[in-house]
Amino acid sequence: TQLLEQSPQFLSIQEGENLTVYCNSSSVFSSLQWYRQEPGEGPVLLVTVVTGGEVKKLKRLTFQFGDARKDSSLHITAAQPGDTGLYLCAGAIQGAQKLVFGQGTRLTINP
Amino acid sequence: ETGVTQTPRHLVMGMTNKKSLKCEQHLGHNAMYWYKQSAKKPLELMFVYSLEERVENNSVPSRFSPECPNSSHLFLHLHTLQPEDSALYLCASSRGTGLAGVGETQYFGPGTRLLVL
Repeated sequence: TQLLEQSPQFLSIQEGENLTVYCNSSSVFSSLQWYRQEPGEGPVLLVTVVTGGEVKKLKRLTFQFGDARKDSSLHITAAQPGDTGLYLCAGAIQGAQKLVFGQGTRLTINP
Repeated sequence: ETGVTQTPRHLVMGMTNKKSLKCEQHLGHNAMYWYKQSAKKPLELMFVYSLEERVENNSVPSRFSPECPNSSHLFLHLHTLQPEDSALYLCASSRGTGLAGVGETQYFGPGTRLLVL
């Protein structure tokens, strides 16, 4: 059973378009993180959201944590080829000593 | 620039070989992790070390044996692996004691791409 479901798994769009990636679960998380992983590298943290309903912006990226702290979304405005990569969400389970990762969304932005 | 380094970056081994993966963190962190990343599967946590003590073994087969001689170094010893063990093995570190609590950030190394023949 997949604890964190990411959708879509693959997304290929043209430069300048907008997109949204989703991370859903039936579990409640104390915090949720988004990472980006480029080929040949390890994941790099983009943001951590903690409070239900929280919205954080990182330039053209907007991250939202669901009110019930079970889901999150990542919206990219005017996507650029440099946004290409594998986007991973990871939830911290209350009371547990680990992060649970989604299977990732592989994003390709075509020039 | 990453503060977590891993060697080797690529490794090909036979099922009867013994090899070791090395991870070093230059961040002064207290916790270190081993993850396995396979195609089409989520990142799988294998082991967690906090202050050089193993605090989590996530049902990993005994053919994987971790070692943490000090807070900066982490090894993964490999012995009689199977082809399905082929994957990217990622090391990470975090400032805290390994509790994935609020705001805890994990810093990943570039990984070792392992192929078992």
